[in-house]
Amino acid sequence: SQQGEEDPQALSIQEGENATMNCSYKTSINNLQWYRQNSGRGLVHLILIRSNEREKHSGRLRVTLDTSKKSSSLLITASRAADTASYFCATDPNSGGSNYKLTFGKGTLLTVNP
Amino acid sequence: EPEVTQTPSHQVTQMGQEVILRCVPISNHLYFYWYRQILGQKVEFLVSFYNNEISEKSEIFDDQFSVERPDGSNFTLKIRSTKLEDSAMYFCAGRHLSSYEQYFGPGTRLTVT
Repeated sequence: SQQGEEDPQALSIQEGENATMNCSYKTSINNLQWYRQNSGRGLVHLILIRSNEREKHSGRLRVTLDTSKKSSSLLITASRAADTASYFCATDPNSGGSNYKLTFGKGTLLTVNP
Repeated sequence: EPEVTQTPSHQVTQMGQEVILRCVPISNHLYFYWYRQILGQKVEFLVSFYNNEISEKSEIFDDQFSVERPDGSNFTLKIRSTKLEDSAMYFCAGRHLSSYEQYFGPGTRLTVT
């Protein structure tokens, strides 16, 4: 898989359920970030996890990072209809520079049904 | 809360025409980026800009593209002679010197006919 590949590609759940999305990547990273994109809109930063962190929480979001498996997961608990969006992981490759350009995956389209 | 703004929200242009996409980053950000997203595809890095010069560019960012920070607030992306394949959503982003999080604008949808 390519750098920053999410799965599943699409996920449909009922309101109140938890949603889990996964991301795999290939190269070593400085950090991994998750973004949300509502249809046709801009990217909203959700959470960042550094390469030396294993888990991070922010409100209803929980992110895990396993650098040995080069994978991350995003858990949204108690989902709401307003969580319906595409979710992308983005990696900042540890290339030794300071540009910190992001490499995005294709995203997971999450649909939360009321 | 400060936001990144982009204008126009939608630009339609004919093939071969020049377009300038504009961005106003958050005022205390020092690194700036342009990304694009072709419909249904991944968000792709185009270029990064720091200290008034390009710090890195992708293969996509060829001689037809240029970036500029003409004053203390605006950050522009110019496409000199647009092609059909330049049709995409273009996002500007910025980040503070001491953090990794990038903050994106709402995007400009460019349609080349």
